[in-house]
Amino acid sequence: AQSVSQHNHHVILSEAASLELGCNYSYGGTVNLFWYVQYPGQHLQLLLKYFSGDPLVKGIKGFEAEFIKSKFSFNLRKPSVQWSDTAEYFCAVKDTGRRALTFGSGTRLQVQP
Amino acid sequence: GAVVSQHPSWVICKSGTSVKIECRSLDFQATTMFWYRQFPKQSLMLMATSNEGSKATYEQGVEKDKFLINHASLTLSTLTVTSAHPEDSSFYICSARDPGNTEAFFGQGTRLTVV
Repeated sequence: AQSVSQHNHHVILSEAASLELGCNYSYGGTVNLFWYVQYPGQHLQLLLKYFSGDPLVKGIKGFEAEFIKSKFSFNLRKPSVQWSDTAEYFCAVKDTGRRALTFGSGTRLQVQP
Repeated sequence: GAVVSQHPSWVICKSGTSVKIECRSLDFQATTMFWYRQFPKQSLMLMATSNEGSKATYEQGVEKDKFLINHASLTLSTLTVTSAHPEDSSFYICSARDPGNTEAFFGQGTRLTVV
């Protein structure tokens, strides 16, 4: 069965620090990849997605992610975090055989002013 | 983006009672909706896929008689937790995909506490 691993469960950074959150998946076929963010008390919101093409994907709020097929990875990055980036981040994968998403366990990011 | 509304946001109920959670797509029609469950500090786990006009498809290990799903219209799916027990306490989230969009949209979630 497909699985998604997020190795960082809780990350604490100071403002202006760079961010990289890891995401690995275990499906060998064609996948669609997503990063969602959940701010406290709010809906899950899509940050960015990869379907095909350029493996470096740019999303909202200065986030980007790189799909490395050989490593089954889709890591999320941001050069300089802000206090407002404090949230829970979820990586998700959809393979062509399923309609639903499979989520990672989430990473709680805490940015200190 | 499209909006998915989930109601209620939180509910407390007594053991043995039933609770209904609604999920509405406000500005698009969703032939398929998804119900997830999230335990503290854990991932969202898919419970079932709700199909408009037909039976829901449940994931392995999810009791269909306990978690009743009804998708009677293209904009509404309901999840009813029957004969609730304290171990059913969790965060339930619904999702829907606009057929013309590759993105899935999520409700704000419902925190269920069974006492």
